[in-house]
Amino acid sequence: DAKTTQPNSMESNEEEPVHLPCNHSTISGTDYIHWYRQLPSQGPEYVIHGLTSNVNNRMASLAIAEDRKSSTLILHRATLRDAAVYYCILREGGSEKLVFGKGTKLTVNP
Amino acid sequence: DTAVSQTPKYLVTQMGNDKSIKCEQNLGHDTMYWYKQDSKKFLKIMFSYNNKELIINETVPNRFSPKSPDKAHLNLHINSLELGDSAVYFCASSLLRIQQETQYFGPGTRLLVL
Repeated sequence: DAKTTQPNSMESNEEEPVHLPCNHSTISGTDYIHWYRQLPSQGPEYVIHGLTSNVNNRMASLAIAEDRKSSTLILHRATLRDAAVYYCILREGGSEKLVFGKGTKLTVNP
Repeated sequence: DTAVSQTPKYLVTQMGNDKSIKCEQNLGHDTMYWYKQDSKKFLKIMFSYNNKELIINETVPNRFSPKSPDKAHLNLHINSLELGDSAVYFCASSLLRIQQETQYFGPGTRLLVL
């Protein structure tokens, strides 16, 4: 299973941008980068995914390094509701399963 | 409308008992999954089914038996419950079995074995 490295925890202030980093130095050319988050006492929730190009959706942006060995999830204006554990996941070609690591616990301060 | 639902939400039972957890999705998806989140919060896949056919079985003890009566349902039956089975169990579904596809998770079933 492809491996990712994320900081254990990060803090942010409400209404400020948050940049959540993820290292995946062993990524292969066909691996997709997915981000999910898990709010307290809830199931994981899809955030965004990408392959090579940066991606934007209503929840967040995903910035992928040119060599694809790292990526950053960007929350443009953090809200209290964004406090969650964020998981960066590599999905290998031909594999439908999600392999979760420890994730980054994001705390948002009012 | 709840996309992926699970029942029960909480389950407290004695060691040695047999119990079932039910999962239903109304998204019209072909693939369903069971994940287990242990006390250390690690989430790990247990099973996946595609069109009622078992696709993934991640070396789960055979006390755990998933059953898919139709594409919209994937139930998990657990025999002879052990203390170590205490965890949160999440059901998920996706439209296709490809790496780009989003998985939608249920709210979880919190199982406590005493």
